[in-house]
Amino acid sequence: VQLQQSGPEQVKASQTLSLTCAISGDSVSSNDAAWNWIRQSPSRGLEWLGRTYYTSDWHNDYALSVKGRIIIKADTSKNHVSLHLSSVTPDDTAVYYCGRDQYYHSSDNRFDPWGQGTLVTVSS
Amino acid sequence: QSVLTQPPSASGTPGQRVTISCSGSSSNIGGNTVSWFQHLPGMAPKLLIFHNSQRPSGVPDRFSGSKSGTSASLAISGLQSEDEGNYYCAMWDDRLNGPNWVFGGGTKLTVL
Repeated sequence: VQLQQSGPEQVKASQTLSLTCAISGDSVSSNDAAWNWIRQSPSRGLEWLGRTYYTSDWHNDYALSVKGRIIIKADTSKNHVSLHLSSVTPDDTAVYYCGRDQYYHSSDNRFDPWGQGTLVTVSS
Repeated sequence: QSVLTQPPSASGTPGQRVTISCSGSSSNIGGNTVSWFQHLPGMAPKLLIFHNSQRPSGVPDRFSGSKSGTSASLAISGLQSEDEGNYYCAMWDDRLNGPNWVFGGGTKLTVL
């Protein structure tokens, strides 16, 4: 399984940060996988942002820190998952990663693999 | 500050055994399973341990994990220069602050 991230590395404050994570070797609509976005910055460390997963319907969970600004969507036709974070500020500058949480519904869940990471800089 | 506490740094010489701790409380580690990730410079984080002590296929048995009560540990034996990097403990928690992955602050491992 490989995850390939793409998207702009520069975003202006107040705009929307959008990234895509293309999945190969697994299906975005697998019943055994949740697709996550995580970011890393010097001030926040590793911070989970949210996830989407499919069980008869699509479900999302979002971190309280970004709830209201974040949307994670799956595109089954392209087999990818996207992140949209609105009203960004310089504090949202971070390396963003996508990642698969396999068997997320069990205690045997394993967060693997991760995307290569995208450094997104928000300018004021 | 993360609810999972790791020492900021650790070090060892080649061939040595190094242990990295991850401490929490009965409301987090005590009730959840722990994963460990290796983050080498310029690379994506890599899963080393899941479910406290399970190794994914391909991870050398030099890496081992354990959990007892409200603490977990990652041990690296036969330390190698390529092990130098950052190591993070993490757990999935759906009780505190809503569902989320919680990460430790990370431990920078230096191979002397």
